[in-house]
Amino acid sequence: GESVGLHLPTLSVQEGDNSIINCAYSNSASDYFIWYKQESGKGPQFIIDIRSNMDKRQGQRVTVLLNKTVKHLSLQIAATQPGDSAVYFCAENPPAGTYKYIFGTGTRLKVLA
Amino acid sequence: DTGVSQNPRHKITKRGQNVTFRCDPISEHNRLYWYRQTLGQGPEFLTYFQNEAQLEKSRLLSDRFSAERPKGSFSTLEIQRTEQGDSAMYLCASSRVQTSRNYEQYFGPGTRLTVT
Repeated sequence: GESVGLHLPTLSVQEGDNSIINCAYSNSASDYFIWYKQESGKGPQFIIDIRSNMDKRQGQRVTVLLNKTVKHLSLQIAATQPGDSAVYFCAENPPAGTYKYIFGTGTRLKVLA
Repeated sequence: DTGVSQNPRHKITKRGQNVTFRCDPISEHNRLYWYRQTLGQGPEFLTYFQNEAQLEKSRLLSDRFSAERPKGSFSTLEIQRTEQGDSAMYLCASSRVQTSRNYEQYFGPGTRLTVT
């Protein structure tokens, strides 16, 4: 399939290590944030979301942290596996009620065996 | 598989031709969105529907683009007189909206358009 994100920032981690992917968002009034994973030739896949009234949310092997002071999101993946290799996008929902997401530029995660 | 399907998956067309893509959302979802994604970029919002009503269109959606959702179920996106700059992945997403809470958008696999 085609490649997603040929010139994206890349994070390389050893299998079993923890990964941290960062994202800066644009609108201080955005009230909802999502992390998506996108593999080559596929659409974005929902990983985890967080609302602006929270600082942290945990899922299965993933944690999202929100720092509204500096408009920063991070995605932590525990015990990274080869299947985690993909491009990761954060998305923000600016206020206005439409939920038309604004996506960040993405980070390619490469898991080294 | 998120339950959102798109057809065709790939389309190659010559400049100046018209193309139409279809999206079938998750059946109970009342919101449907179209995004465009070019290589190396995140998806960019094009337009969205709540039921059959088209509520917002991006400035990216020129007059050559039209989208419909006639019965509040599937949607079509048509591009007339295609240009090489239209080459991109066209993504459809759907979500469920209730009074006090919006839910995450689920994306389809996309339609990759190549204009030669």
